Amino acid sequence: DSGVTQTPKHLITATGQRVTLRCSPRSGDLSVYWYQQSLDQGLQFLIQYYNGEERAKGNILERFSAQQFPDLHSELNLSSLELGDSALYFCASSGEPGVAGKYTEAFFGQGTRLTVV
Amino acid sequence: AQTVTQSQPEMSVQEAETVTLSCTYDTSESDYYLFWYKQPPSRQMILVIRQEAYKQQNATENRFSVNFQKAAKSFSLKISDSQLGDAAMYFCAYRSERDDKIIFGKGTRLHILP
Repeated sequence: DSGVTQTPKHLITATGQRVTLRCSPRSGDLSVYWYQQSLDQGLQFLIQYYNGEERAKGNILERFSAQQFPDLHSELNLSSLELGDSALYFCASSGEPGVAGKYTEAFFGQGTRLTVV
Repeated sequence: AQTVTQSQPEMSVQEAETVTLSCTYDTSESDYYLFWYKQPPSRQMILVIRQEAYKQQNATENRFSVNFQKAAKSFSLKISDSQLGDAAMYFCAYRSERDDKIIFGKGTRLHILP
């Protein structure tokens, strides 16, 4: 168990709809990352938050948005869904690199499998 | 921008043999972190090994070791005594200390032949 919790595990929805994916990071981790993994593809970096603020942005579509709340959980909102948005969405959390006692790697949740029909 | 390249989409190795997965990266930074992650069929992302760029010594975790060549920007993973349970996708990852972004290569699918 990585300590990162993602809900729901599976989601099936129709084209044009909007969904929200939720992530609770490991206790004490301030950074949250979101990745998209399409079938048999690599992990595409979407966005990163640090202590409530957006820190880095990857190839995130304008139809997608995210936020990190004061309790450090994060949500990824996907709207106007298309068939091509079907993928596994991972959330990961990490501590600060260079800080004594902090892990430098990202710990991943189990992912949310989104199917758009 | 940093990039991570894994030039081997697929590899196969005989059980009990040794295999090396390649990874190169591009960066202008001097301080960063490198990782290898394993993704078995369950799709869970599992950390295999980490390397801090400021450490010259190559990291080792049991049967897994890396060959970190900072000047060449190369970070290969060696798996010794390959086991059937090692069959998975392996991703090389780079973490910037400056902007904290973590980016991944496209992965190498490793098959273990019994």
